[in-house]
This record gives sequence, structure tokens and C-alpha cells, in this order.
Amino acid sequence: DTGVSQDPRHKITKRGQNVTFRCDPISEHNRLYWYRQTLGQGPEFLTYFQNEAQLEKSRLLSDRFSAERPKGSFSTLEIQRTEQGDSAMYLCASSPRDRTTNYGYTFGSGTRLTVV
Amino acid sequence: GDSVTQMEGPVTLSEEAFLTINCTYTATGYPSLFWYVQYPGEGLQLLLKATKADDKGSNKGFEATYRKETTSFHLEKGSVQVSDSAVYFCALMEYGNKLVFGAGTILRVKS
Repeated sequence: DTGVSQDPRHKITKRGQNVTFRCDPISEHNRLYWYRQTLGQGPEFLTYFQNEAQLEKSRLLSDRFSAERPKGSFSTLEIQRTEQGDSAMYLCASSPRDRTTNYGYTFGSGTRLTVV
Repeated sequence: GDSVTQMEGPVTLSEEAFLTINCTYTATGYPSLFWYVQYPGEGLQLLLKATKADDKGSNKGFEATYRKETTSFHLEKGSVQVSDSAVYFCALMEYGNKLVFGAGTILRVKS
């Protein structure tokens, strides 16, 4: 297992376009998280899944954002009608449910989105 | 709600200097506390953790002690190296799910 994988690493898109990011967690981890990190700030929570169920969504996740984890494995994060304010690093992380508090998460390298 | 406050950076030190990065938190219960490190161009890596009061987390020469009375989790290292240059994030977790991060502190170590 090579850890949490995110694709693409970088994405440049024009304002108003839709984009989709993919995250492949560590295979035995049943929790998957999405965070957003803007320049000079710490990561901010967006949403998380336990298996295929989306258990919590942040108020940061406007109706233009949607996340799925259809079979409890990989996840996708889609942003519709992108705006310049969506430019950020989108981080995915995973953890095993029973040990999250003790071990934290394993993060992927992120997808850097630039909206022009 | 829960929050984490870190000292502002950047922190610039000479090699072999002593490092302290302050971190304080606000939480309703008894969170687990973490330090993550982000090297240039890479993702966040867990550096160390502590899950209850008076626990000391340590890794790679870094240490932090969970101080409930002062709600703090300061990061220390006795002798920094150029390779320690990175952004350091303090974070807390309650109830086993969300990590709440501080804004991060940039550390620059000069040879």
C-alpha cells in the first residue's frame, strides 16, 4: 500500500467550469476526509465519509460542491461553476475508524486547484 | 467551537538552535492533540501526538507535552537542522473524527 493517492496533482481551470478530483485512501481505512487549504492557512474540514456514508458536511461546502464515495473505497469531490475563491489545495485523508483518535489521519499530497 | 492558536511565523533559526513553537487550544472536552509537518511540495505528515493530559509525544527529536492546565501543546526541539525547514501545524481532535488545525508556523533554518 502506497498511502493516500490524489489525482490530479494540479488543475488549472477557467471560471465557471466544473472540476472533479479523485482520492484513493489506504485500502483498510474506512474513514475518508476532505479538507481545503488556502495559502497561509491551516487545512479546513469540508466533509467526511465512513464507508460509503457521508456523515458530516461543513458549512464551507456550498451547494456547488458535492462529494461521493460510492462503494466505500475511492472518493470524488466535484466543484461546479468554479469561482476564483475556490483556488486552494484540496486535501484528502483517511483513517481507520477504531484508531482515529489515537493515530490521526494519513494525508494525500493534495490537488492544487487554480481558477483563472 | 474548538480552535487552535499557533504562534505566528516565520520563525528563522540558525542550525543547532533550540526551537519552540507555541500552540494553545480551546475545546469543550478532552481532545487528542497532534503536530503535523508539511515539507515544501509535499502533503501533511503526522509528526507526533498525545491523547491525554501530561502525555509527551516525541519523534525525530521533536517533543510536545499535553498541558491541560494551560491548554497548551508547545513543540520543541533541542537542535534544529536545515532539513527541519517546513510548515508546522498544531491540531486537535475530539470524538474521533474531525481534525481542527491551527494556521501553521513556517520554520526556516539557516546553515
